[in-house]
Amino acid sequence: AQKVTQAQTEISVVEKEDVTLDCVYETRDTTYYLFWYKQPPSGELVFLIRRNSFDEQNEISGRYSWNFQKSTSSFNFTITASQVVDSAVYFCALGRNSGYALNFGKGTSLLVTP
Amino acid sequence: DARVTQTPRHKVTEMGQEVTMRCQPILGHNTVFWYRQTMMQGLELLAYFRNRAPLDDSGMPKDRFSAEMPDATLATLKIQPSEPRDSAVYFCASGLANDRDEYTEAFFGQGTRLTVV
Repeated sequence: AQKVTQAQTEISVVEKEDVTLDCVYETRDTTYYLFWYKQPPSGELVFLIRRNSFDEQNEISGRYSWNFQKSTSSFNFTITASQVVDSAVYFCALGRNSGYALNFGKGTSLLVTP
Repeated sequence: DARVTQTPRHKVTEMGQEVTMRCQPILGHNTVFWYRQTMMQGLELLAYFRNRAPLDDSGMPKDRFSAEMPDATLATLKIQPSEPRDSAVYFCASGLANDRDEYTEAFFGQGTRLTVV
């Protein structure tokens, strides 16, 4: 069975702090995909990243970075120098070999205060 | 600016009424997904279509839910009869699959917030 665990329910940081959102997944598939989505207070789901299980390279996009470690089944997300606009619920998700998100974690609510 | 469009954005209905939610996928995308978000269950995949044909609707309660794609520009999710436990945000997403059944990332619409009273 596939499962995604986001152990952090809520995180609160002060602007400019770095913050890491944890994601641990379970799957028996050898080919799978991992995702991060952002859901701001307005409610839409914004795609952030999709990573194939064969690509363990870490990725950096501006202030965002992702650390994928198959050895620990983790796909953690770090925001550097957080900003108030980063306040949102962030979802980690797992997909099978077709590449669409199938199983979502419960989400981590991030609050960045000035 | 290509985006997935969902209507209505909000719907309040009485228990027992029929509810139809609509989704216009991004032009050129051949795959449409329906997800449901509730506080208790989080985000769940209900069904998805490729080239207008249903590929998987195992996440959808069959007795009252139905999903269709009358044409490539319209996907519908219908609940009949609706129940209070159906209250949720329903998201549509679209993506593009290649011949090897590999998908691009899915882009989500803004969701339909359904309240059944």
